[in-house]
Amino acid sequence: GENVEQHPSTLSVQEGDSAVIKCTYSDSASNYFPWYKQELGKGPQLIIDIRSNVGEKKDQRIAVTLNKTAKHFSLHITETQPEDSAVYFCAASSGNTPLVFGKGTRLSVIA
Amino acid sequence: GAGVSQSPSNKVTEKGKDVELRCDPISGHTALYWYRQRLGQGLEFLIYFQGNSAPDKSGLPSDRFSAERTGESVSTLTIQRTQQEDSAVYLCASSWVGGDTGELFFGEGSRLTVL
Repeated sequence: GENVEQHPSTLSVQEGDSAVIKCTYSDSASNYFPWYKQELGKGPQLIIDIRSNVGEKKDQRIAVTLNKTAKHFSLHITETQPEDSAVYFCAASSGNTPLVFGKGTRLSVIA
Repeated sequence: GAGVSQSPSNKVTEKGKDVELRCDPISGHTALYWYRQRLGQGLEFLIYFQGNSAPDKSGLPSDRFSAERTGESVSTLTIQRTQQEDSAVYLCASSWVGGDTGELFFGEGSRLTVL
């Protein structure tokens, strides 16, 4: 089955700097790659996703890139703000299989 | 509210007791998922319901775990003879369609502590 690895597990950045979180997946059949943000005491919430027919997608300060050949995908957050502090999860799935999540990255944005 | 509702939000139980966790999905969502999140860990898939199809139980860690769903509405996750390693936050999510074609909407979770 699918296996998703996520790095780093923790990340601290200064406010205004960029943050990058990277994930790899194992199943070449995976074709859907969402990113979720989880704030303390809340359930995860989708922030952006990408499908395998696209290499990059951007939404304001957030962008995701996908390299299907290398089975890598990354989340980029620019101009970070304190409210970006949270745990971020990448995930992957194919067809009708449930999402397989990475172990999460705790992002701290220092004002 | 319009979101996924889970109850109880917190449950403390003694080792060996049974617990039941409830999830009310968003109305009209055909797919429902249960995930487990241990402290500081990622989301571990447990079980998935899609419409009237047989549920995908491939993530259930042992036969002490079971789940039911009535039609396209409420689901209950039951853990029998709880063990300390069952302590975790149990998250429920629902979506419009199953698999990779829909955003998952998560509840806030049920935090289970087994003493």
